Amino acid sequence: EAGVAQSPRYKIIEKRQSVAFWCNPISGHATLYWYQQILGQGPKLLIQFQNNGVVDDSQLPKDRFSAERLKGVDSTLKIQPAKLEDSAVYLCASSLDRGLASDTQYFGPGTRLTVL
Amino acid sequence: AQTVTQSQPEMSVQEAETVTLSCTYDTSENNYYLFWYKQPPSRQMILVIRQEAYKQQNATENRFSVNFQKAAKSFSLKISDSQLGDTAMYFCAFRSLQGAQKLVFGQGTRLTINP
Repeated sequence: EAGVAQSPRYKIIEKRQSVAFWCNPISGHATLYWYQQILGQGPKLLIQFQNNGVVDDSQLPKDRFSAERLKGVDSTLKIQPAKLEDSAVYLCASSLDRGLASDTQYFGPGTRLTVL
Repeated sequence: AQTVTQSQPEMSVQEAETVTLSCTYDTSENNYYLFWYKQPPSRQMILVIRQEAYKQQNATENRFSVNFQKAAKSFSLKISDSQLGDTAMYFCAFRSLQGAQKLVFGQGTRLTINP
C-alpha cells in the first residue's frame, strides 16, 4: 500500500513570496490533515478535511494560508505572502475515518520550508 | 484547551537498556485517546502505541509499553531492550472524543540509543 505522498520535499523562498505544497493521501482515506512543525516543537494542526469539507481550521492563519481538497482526494496548502516565521516542516497526514478517534493517522515525509 | 507536556527534551541510553519517556497532559474530559508517535531522523512519523482512557489496562506493543495513570494525567512510554533503530524523536499526543477530535502533540523527546 502506497503511503502519503508530499511534494516538494524542500523549498527555499524569499519572504513575501508565495509557495504551494501538495499532498496525496492513502487511497480510500476520507480525512486529510495539514500540520506545521516548527523546529524543536511538536506538530500543530493547521487544517483538517473530511472528504471535501473543512472540519477544523481554527489554527490556520487565514490572512496568508489557504488550503483546498478538490474531489476529496489530494490537497494543496498555499502560503501567500510568506513570512520568516513560516519556516517549518509541513506535514500531511491521512486517516481512514471510520468515525473513531482511535483511527491511526498516517504521515507523509513532509515539506521543509525555509523562508529567507 | 488540552495541553501535552514532555519534560525531557533529550535522553540517551545504551543499546539493550530500558528507557522511560515521560508525558503529562491536561484535560477536563473523562474519555479520550493518548498516543506515542516516533519520528526517526529524516523519516516519516509513525504510530508506536495508543491507549484509550477508559481502559485501565496499560497498552503494550512488543518492546513498547505504557504506564497510564489517569488520575495523575500521566502517560509514560517504556522501551525495553532498546535498539539502535529506536533512535528518534518521540511525541506524546492527546486526542479528544469531542468536537473535531484534534490531535494535540507535546514538544517531543529526542532519544538516542548508543552502541
